[in-house]
Amino acid sequence: GQQVMQIPQYQHVQEGEDFTTYCNSSTTLSNIQWYKQRPGGHPVFLIQLVKSGEVKKQKRLTFQFGEAKKNSSLHITATQTTDVGTYFCSAWEYGNKLVFGAGTILRVKS
Amino acid sequence: DSGVTQTPKHLITATGQRVTLRCSPRSGDLSVYWYQQSLDQGLQFLIQYYNGEERAKGNILERFSAQQFPDLHSELNLSSLELGDSALYFCASSSTVGHEKLFFGSGTQLSVL
Repeated sequence: GQQVMQIPQYQHVQEGEDFTTYCNSSTTLSNIQWYKQRPGGHPVFLIQLVKSGEVKKQKRLTFQFGEAKKNSSLHITATQTTDVGTYFCSAWEYGNKLVFGAGTILRVKS
Repeated sequence: DSGVTQTPKHLITATGQRVTLRCSPRSGDLSVYWYQQSLDQGLQFLIQYYNGEERAKGNILERFSAQQFPDLHSELNLSSLELGDSALYFCASSSTVGHEKLFFGSGTQLSVL
């Protein structure tokens, strides 16, 4: 089945620094979704990207979908302590399965 | 609050036992998804139902089964429990099938001792 590989596994940044997590697939994706899970919480939907080369912004978060629709990234500008958590990318596999990447754990030092 | 309700929040049981996890989707949502989250395996897709019918299956063990009832709530049954089944089990819902955002419940933390 389709797999989405996500890196890095873990990142610890100083508050105010930028953060980026990357998601890659060996196959072309129809779309990609990003979720955030706070410590002790549940995954919460952030955004869905559908078009080749698409870029979407949510305040300090910038999401990109690659031209070949095989990779995606989430970039956070000037991290804050409220950004801590695990960020997951996910993709719909044939047969209505939403498969998740392993996630990137973000810790922010204040 | 996502609108998805899972009970119980915590469950402690012994090996060999059977448990049932319950999920009520958001009002109006017809699809229910079950995921298992453990520290070393991330979020693993188990199974999906749409309006009472099974629509997709992941690497769900034969000891596990699920169903969705006419009122759209869903139950995940785990039997002959093993230590390795200890994990956080999430239910999620969406309005239809496929390519929609999922709304996750708060999860059931299962501890098998």
